[in-house]
Amino acid sequence: EIVLTQSPGTLSLSPGERATLSCRASQSVSSSYLAWYQQKPGQAPRLLIYGASSRATGIPDRFSGSGSGTDFTLTISRLEPEDFAVYYCQQYGNSPRSFGQGTKLEIK
Amino acid sequence: EVQLVESGGGLVQPGGSLRLSCAASGFTFSSYWMHWVRQGPGKGLVWVSRINSDGSRTSYADSVKGRFTISRDNAKNTLYLQMNSLRAEDTAVYYCARDYGDIDYWGQGTLVTVSS
Repeated sequence: EIVLTQSPGTLSLSPGERATLSCRASQSVSSSYLAWYQQKPGQAPRLLIYGASSRATGIPDRFSGSGSGTDFTLTISRLEPEDFAVYYCQQYGNSPRSFGQGTKLEIK
Repeated sequence: EVQLVESGGGLVQPGGSLRLSCAASGFTFSSYWMHWVRQGPGKGLVWVSRINSDGSRTSYADSVKGRFTISRDNAKNTLYLQMNSLRAEDTAVYYCARDYGDIDYWGQGTLVTVSS
């Protein structure tokens, strides 16, 4: 099973700042089959990024994904108030599917 | 509009059983693989099970293998999760989700509480 480790666990930033979230895999993720999700309290997760770098439908271009192999990054270029949430990475290239433990992005 | 609506959650005693349902609409249900993903209180997302489009292939997380069974009825556009021998650690919100390689749509979840 591929283990995904996200860092940091909590990130405290202010609106307008840049956020960089990391996801590291215990082994190479096939074909960059890596997704990022956003979850707000009391809500279901929402797909942001798939294929490591492709934005899902309706996702603002301030969200971007990069990386390959074992190291992946989600970047939010300028934080908006609605971006403060928990973010999860997931690999879907190997079975079983696995999620990272999440990064909480909180307002400083 | 794609909609996934879970039902069947509730309070159950340890060792008990529960069957979750997920009613799908707004897309051709029979063409998609589907998943169940759970989230314990204050915890992260955990993949539970997956079923292919015609129901012939399934897979499970080790933590539920032998206790949970995923199934589907394509005529009713409904996904199921039969949960037996429930344990306290199965307490979670259970999400039904559509596979597109990644997971592109999620239901709102149904809460399962295992407690005496």
